[in-house]
Parts: sequence; structure tokens; C-alpha cells
Amino acid sequence: ETGVTQTPRHLVMGMTNKKSLKCEQHLGHNAMYWYKQSAKKPLELMFVYSLEERVENNSVPSRFSPECPNSSHLFLHLHTLQPEDSALYLCASSQVWGAWEKLFFGSGTQLSVL
Amino acid sequence: DAKTTQPTSMDCAEGRAANLPCNHSTISGNEYVYWYRQIHSQGPQYIIHGLKNNETNEMASLIITEDRKSSTLILPHATLRDTAVYYCIVRVAGAAGNKLTFGGGTRVLVKP
Repeated sequence: ETGVTQTPRHLVMGMTNKKSLKCEQHLGHNAMYWYKQSAKKPLELMFVYSLEERVENNSVPSRFSPECPNSSHLFLHLHTLQPEDSALYLCASSQVWGAWEKLFFGSGTQLSVL
Repeated sequence: DAKTTQPTSMDCAEGRAANLPCNHSTISGNEYVYWYRQIHSQGPQYIIHGLKNNETNEMASLIITEDRKSSTLILPHATLRDTAVYYCIVRVAGAAGNKLTFGGGTRVLVKP
């Protein structure tokens, strides 16, 4: 248990569906991150939030929409996804943005787009 | 950030020490060496990091060569639960705005 909880653990959705991934951290951290991990590929950073403000958007398509209502919660809203978006989506948090030495990850949501 | 080179995979015996090498010949003076691991279907887990001196914690030891061009992560008594992909990353600590980039890593299989 890392203190970062992601739900759901598994999600299957059609290309026309709208769904949301949720992340919650219980560590009192101020920075939260979304990563994507496709099969047999390195982790890719998608978004970074620091103190609820988006500080990095790594050229992610608009069909992925992040939301950070407070420092403990992070959402990734999904709509009209493509099959190639199927991947493991990981949330992470750190005390402050850039404190890479202690980046805590959740267990991820395994997403399948049909 | 400096690039790192790691073996693609390695096997080790349960109960024995596992030594994972990493080359980072272009490392800069202010860049740290970080190690993470990722067990199948889970998020990466921080293991240890260091700048110049050798470091040890409850999970592992990190040995950095004097010229800092390479390092070795040591798992002193490997268990089956240590089977994972291990990532060696080099970057500046506390540098906001710079991404922590995970490469291919070393796939470690601990065998009984």
C-alpha cells in the first residue's frame, strides 16, 4: 500500500463511451501525475498538477481531460477513445513537483478500449 | 538528462545477492542516480537514490563508481517477490519541470 489509490483497477469501454479514472492520495502531497504505460513501452508522463494547477501537459490528445479538484484527488476523464489508448494508466504523487526521489505510484487502471 | 544503459534481462537465484548494473557515462555533476522497480501490473516503486557516496536502505544498496559513470543496485537476499523490472534513471534532484523518464529497464527473474 503506497498511499495512492486508483479506481477502478480494470475498465473496458467502447469508443463512444465516456468514463473517468479516479486517483486519491492520502500522503499530504502537493503534486500529482498521470502516466500512461502501453504494452512493452516505457512509462509516458501525461499530466502534472502542482497545488491543483496543471503545470505540464505532455502533448496529450484532447480526448483525455484531467481534473484536480483538490490536492488529494485527481481524475482523468475519457471520451471517444481509440483502441490504441488501451494501456495501464498510473497515478502518482510527490511532496512537491519535481521531488522525483520520492514519487509514489498507485497500482494503476488497466484500460481496454474496444 | 543523461541516458542510461541497462541489461535487458537477468536471472538470479532466490536467497542470493542480485547485482544490477547501470551505465551512465554522460552523467553531469549535479545529477543523481535513481532506482525504481515495477512489479507486474503495479505502479513503479522507488527503491533508492544517490549522488556520489554509496547508499543503503532497507530495500537495497547502491554502489556508484568513483567516476560516477556507472552504478550497481544490490538486492542482498533476493526473494521471489523481487521479480520485477528495475529502472535506473539519472536526473537532477528536485528539478521541477523536468520529467522523470523511465527507459526499458532490466527484467529480473528470481528463481527458486
